[in-house]
Amino acid sequence: GDQVEQSPSALSLHEGTGSALRCNFTTTMRAVQWFQQNSRGSLINLFYLASGTKENGRLKSTFNSKESYSTLHIRDAQLEDSGTYFCAAEIYGSSGNKLIFGIGTLLSVKP
Amino acid sequence: AQTIHQWPVAEIKAVGSPLSLGCTIKGKSSPNLYWYWQATGGTLQQLFYSITVGQVESVVQLNLSASRPKDDQFILSTEKLLLSHSGFYLCAWSLGVGGRSYEQYFGPGTRLTVL
Repeated sequence: GDQVEQSPSALSLHEGTGSALRCNFTTTMRAVQWFQQNSRGSLINLFYLASGTKENGRLKSTFNSKESYSTLHIRDAQLEDSGTYFCAAEIYGSSGNKLIFGIGTLLSVKP
Repeated sequence: AQTIHQWPVAEIKAVGSPLSLGCTIKGKSSPNLYWYWQATGGTLQQLFYSITVGQVESVVQLNLSASRPKDDQFILSTEKLLLSHSGFYLCAWSLGVGGRSYEQYFGPGTRLTVL
């Protein structure tokens, strides 16, 4: 079936440092979405990409549709960046628009 | 601006009891609407999808049903809750057919505990 492989499952950063999250896809898809889920459970939209690269502040995301992967780069991490990050593949199929989520990356930013 | 409201915020229910969760979208006409379920500590799984009033597609069967009685309302329900229904339920919307993108936006969620 459709698969989204997200890594790492957990990540610990010190304030001011950075890292990258990655999602590999084993299905044909229209676009990728990246979300941050905060401690209350709310999903915050970070990026929606059909292709290419987008940047927003300290975050940058790339979607390589030919090689079926997407990355989310975080630089200069802050304490408020802590939370769970999800990528989701948008599949446009017979059942309508379907989002398939990765397992999530639990990010902990420490002073 | 679009707003999405879910009710109730949280529920504690007994196994075998009925359930009704609601979702309302304001500020957007004819949106696509979606229901998701998230087990504690787990990822999100799409349950249902609707592109218009009265039309709902099931993506995953979890002994739940959904209905769209109005353009801006999406209801998730069951007549008999199971322990496995516990978790976090999220409603989402996107632009409908013909929209520039189908980026999905999520509501605040309802936390359900089945005892």
